[in-house]
Amino acid sequence: GQQLNQSPQSMFIQEGEDVSMNCTSSSIFNTWLWYKQDPGEGPVLLIALYKAGELTSNGRLTAQFGITRKDSFLNISASIPSDVGIYFCAGLGSYGKLTFGQGTILTVHP
Amino acid sequence: NAGVTQTPKFQVLKTGQSMTLQCAQDMNHNSMYWYRQDPGMGLRLIYYSASEGTTDKGEVPNGYNVSRLNKREFSLRLESAAPSQTSVYFCASSVDRYEQYFGPGTRLTVT
Repeated sequence: GQQLNQSPQSMFIQEGEDVSMNCTSSSIFNTWLWYKQDPGEGPVLLIALYKAGELTSNGRLTAQFGITRKDSFLNISASIPSDVGIYFCAGLGSYGKLTFGQGTILTVHP
Repeated sequence: NAGVTQTPKFQVLKTGQSMTLQCAQDMNHNSMYWYRQDPGMGLRLIYYSASEGTTDKGEVPNGYNVSRLNKREFSLRLESAAPSQTSVYFCASSVDRYEQYFGPGTRLTVT
């Protein structure tokens, strides 16, 4: 089946630093989504990308849909303590099925 | 507007017991989904329902059954729980085949 490789698996950064994570796939996706999961909660949608090459921002978050449609990245600028959590990429394929990456655990030290 | 709600939040079962996880959404979404989340594996799709009256298997359907009771509600049933089904279960919904919105999860332990 389809697989997404998300990296890095975890990051430990200082408050104020920028963060970058990415996702690659062996298959093409029509839509890329980025979610954040806080401890004990369900994933919350951060950004949705619908077109190859698309670059979208949501506050301090910026995400891009790769030209090949097989990859995406998420950047967080000027990190703050509440950015802590697990970030998931997800590719939306046919029939609305989401394939998730393994997640990036982000820790921000004040 | 509560979004996606799930009950119960926590459950402990003995091997062989059965239970039903409930999910409801108030966003008038057509599609609903059940996922399980295990450490280091992201979320994996168990079953989904593209519209009221239809259900289809996802990536890991074995040991589970589902019922799309109406447009709002989508339940997941474990007929005979096994320790391998210890996991966190998430329900999600979406407008047709676009971005999905998740509930808070049910933490299930099978001993």
